[in-house]
Amino acid sequence: DAGVIQSPRHEVTEMGQEVTLRCKPISGHDYLFWYRQTMMRGLELLIYFNNNVPIDDSGMPEDRFSAKMPNASFSTLKIQPSEPRDSAVYFCASSHGTGRGNTGELFFGEGSRLTVL
Amino acid sequence: GEDVEQSLFLSVREGDSSVINCTYTDSSSTYLYWYKQEPGAGLQLLTYIFSNMDMKQDQRLTVLLNKKDKHLSLRIADTQTGDSAIYFCAESAPDTGTASKLTFGTGTRLQVTL
Repeated sequence: DAGVIQSPRHEVTEMGQEVTLRCKPISGHDYLFWYRQTMMRGLELLIYFNNNVPIDDSGMPEDRFSAKMPNASFSTLKIQPSEPRDSAVYFCASSHGTGRGNTGELFFGEGSRLTVL
Repeated sequence: GEDVEQSLFLSVREGDSSVINCTYTDSSSTYLYWYKQEPGAGLQLLTYIFSNMDMKQDQRLTVLLNKKDKHLSLRIADTQTGDSAIYFCAESAPDTGTASKLTFGTGTRLQVTL
């Protein structure tokens, strides 16, 4: 398997524009997570899905952020409208969870570095 | 919510041992993890320990768990320049069933000097 695939790797946009980040999890993983990493706040969990269903979105900062998982192999994180304070690296990760003897290891993508001017 | 704390920076000489410490707050975490992040990359699992263990050794890595003090440490023996990275400890959130919902620490940047 190619691992978790994220796109774009880098995005520079202007304040007010819509941003869509994409993620393809590892095939067969039941869970998908979106994290945001900044120098000030470290790694923050934004939302996670189980079998394509959003389970916990309490980390989503505000209504400008939305995430979808229309099928087991694709998820998007959308920011509309974007603001400079949204500048961060956004990571997608997938996992089998801890059932069936699994250890709960998260497999991370390479991240999408977002800069909002 | 849970807070996982780490020191921000550690500098060691090549060949020495590195010890990275972590304090977590949730005593019911089933697994505790150490992840490594190299520049421009995502996090990768380095090792983990099950909560009923005190110690786990894996080649150059030794993990110690003190549940009473909620303290986790990672020792890297014979530290190499390739070990330079940011190291995150993480704990699994309680009451989330089989979801590997993790809370990460602030990360410790390890610098290995010649």
